[in-house]
Amino acid sequence: DTEVTQTPKHLVMGMTNKKSLKCEQHMGHRAMYWYKQKAKKPPELMFVYSYEKLSINESVPSRFSPECPNSSLLNLHLHALQPEDSALYLCASSQVPGRSGANVLTFGAGSRLTVL
Amino acid sequence: AQTVTQSQPEMSVQEAETVTLSCTYDTSESDYYLFWYKQPPSRQMILVIRQEAYKQQNATENRFSVNFQKAAKSFSLKISDSQLGDAAMYFCAYRSALLMTGTASKLTFGTGTRLQVTL
Repeated sequence: DTEVTQTPKHLVMGMTNKKSLKCEQHMGHRAMYWYKQKAKKPPELMFVYSYEKLSINESVPSRFSPECPNSSLLNLHLHALQPEDSALYLCASSQVPGRSGANVLTFGAGSRLTVL
Repeated sequence: AQTVTQSQPEMSVQEAETVTLSCTYDTSESDYYLFWYKQPPSRQMILVIRQEAYKQQNATENRFSVNFQKAAKSFSLKISDSQLGDAAMYFCAYRSALLMTGTASKLTFGTGTRLQVTL
């Protein structure tokens, strides 16, 4: 299995809703990432988990809450979002980077979020 | 901080022809990795090719090759025999190799080049 699977593919939510995005991989990768991508822009890093521990938080608002319950799963819990949070949310995974190898990121197909 | 610049917002190539996408980067580090990712309309980011900075030989993957000029901090992507399926947004990306063991790293992306392939 060489894929990162993201669900749902599309999500529409109101500003008062609580929803979650899910990401799953079975490649044995121990680093997992959330990126946010606005239209015609490059992905922007939000969070990085390494060995199921949060290692990087790029000053993301608390209305986004990541969770890594085990080495294969990564969730992004959403609450009280704003319309400007509408974007494509990409999950990725990799081996934990070390000095050997380029530790390539494998991306999922993304979850397109629309906040009304 | 590292920066990656892609100066061509859009490029067009005819099928079967060759096209080169440019990328420059700025870093004070000597040990790093460079990548080209492709993002088709299906949205998934797909690795096209990667280059280790300590390797002088340019990376090649089938129809895709790079021209890596470390001193000039340039990393261009050449696509030969272009196919309709090559149409996508192409992102150049940088990752430092100077990492603490057990710590995941950041990938710095350029702004992307949209490639159109025409018949």
